[in-house]
Amino acid sequence: KQEVTQIPAALSVPEGENLVLNCSFTDSAIYNLQWFRQDPGKGLTSLLLIQSSQREQTSGRLNASLDKSSGRSTLYIAASQPGDSATYLCAVRGGSEKLVFGKGTKLTVNP
Amino acid sequence: EAGVVQSPRYKIIEKKQPVAFWCNPISGHNTLYWYLQNLGQGPELLIRYENEEAVDDSQLPKDRFSAERLKGVDSTLKIQPAELGDSAVYLCASSLGPGAYNEQFFGPGTRLTVL
Repeated sequence: KQEVTQIPAALSVPEGENLVLNCSFTDSAIYNLQWFRQDPGKGLTSLLLIQSSQREQTSGRLNASLDKSSGRSTLYIAASQPGDSATYLCAVRGGSEKLVFGKGTKLTVNP
Repeated sequence: EAGVVQSPRYKIIEKKQPVAFWCNPISGHNTLYWYLQNLGQGPELLIRYENEEAVDDSQLPKDRFSAERLKGVDSTLKIQPAELGDSAVYLCASSLGPGAYNEQFFGPGTRLTVL
């Protein structure tokens, strides 16, 4: 059974800092990995989707990497802003088609 | 283009009452998912539809939960009767179809509180 772990559970940083969120998964037989953002009381917004054959994806200040063999992914946020404050969720997709999510990392960026 | 639409956004009911949630996926998306998200947890899949067929409902508690997608577009998730432990956010998502390259897009969710 696939299990996804996200570390840390919560992170507080000053504005402007670069930061890394971590995601690990137990079964490396995945099709893809997706990073989402969730604001309080809202749904999930997809940030980046990395296919199993890819090593990284970039969108603006965000960069996600994938090391399938070691079961790890990182989300790098450059020059963090208060508007980046949210919960970030990592999810992997295996042969069953469903996404298996971690519990998320709650990020607070302080002005 | 409109995203995934869900209603209601919030629902408060007494235990043992029935409740229903509605989802309209992105136009052209054949695959529809219902997820349950408990507080402080990641979403967990309840059921997946390919057009009007439920192809994965293994996590759906069938004694009290039911779902339908009659015309392969909109979907309804029902709980009858609701229990205190059903308080959670119910998320609907859609994708173009099955397969590794199809990204899932999520709606805003329905937050259910059972008193």
